Amino acid sequence: NAGVTQTPKFQVLKTGQSMTLQCAQDMNHNSMYWYRQDPGMGLRLIYYSASEGTTDKGEVPNGYNVSRLNKREFSLRLESAAPSQTSVYFCASSPPWGAAETQYFGPGTRLLVL
Amino acid sequence: LAKTTQPISMDSYEGQEVNITCSHNNIATNDYITWYQQFPSQGPRFIIQGYKTKVTNEVASLFIPADRKSSTLSLPRVSLSDTAVYYCLVFTGTASKLTFGTGTRLQVTL
Repeated sequence: NAGVTQTPKFQVLKTGQSMTLQCAQDMNHNSMYWYRQDPGMGLRLIYYSASEGTTDKGEVPNGYNVSRLNKREFSLRLESAAPSQTSVYFCASSPPWGAAETQYFGPGTRLLVL
Repeated sequence: LAKTTQPISMDSYEGQEVNITCSHNNIATNDYITWYQQFPSQGPRFIIQGYKTKVTNEVASLFIPADRKSSTLSLPRVSLSDTAVYYCLVFTGTASKLTFGTGTRLQVTL
């Protein structure tokens, strides 16, 4: 099992450009999450999806949209990137709802917005 | 929302036992306590989880007193590879309230 995979690993954008971060898991988990981590900070939840077809806002959803394409895939889209969105983005998944505290993380996508 | 407080950083020598304490004074009855480890340039990794008393696995032990207002992660005989950031989380029922905080940065040296 590959676990949680994320693409791309690195990305540089100019202000106003758009992009989609991809995440996939092969553990048959129901729940998936997107976090951002700024330098020296903890992780902040952007959006999460408790199951296929549902998404909910986390702590910092502004400027982002998500799509739960199927049970395996959960994408994060930046419609108009801003320098404040420079960060490391982590995707995670967890077993059936009720065990959200046990999450499995991907390797992260490092995004720089100029 | 159960807020956690843990030391910003700790230093240890290789071979020593390290104890990291987390305070969570307003923990709710149904909350579990979970610890994660994060190495540089990697995503966090689940270490251990508990509800009360003591839990032990191959990586660490977790001690939780009867009042559950704090917990202590114990790493036996740390090595250089244990240098990482350790996060204490108290799960409050929905993912929207899952908060990692800034964690404890553990530096292990020879």
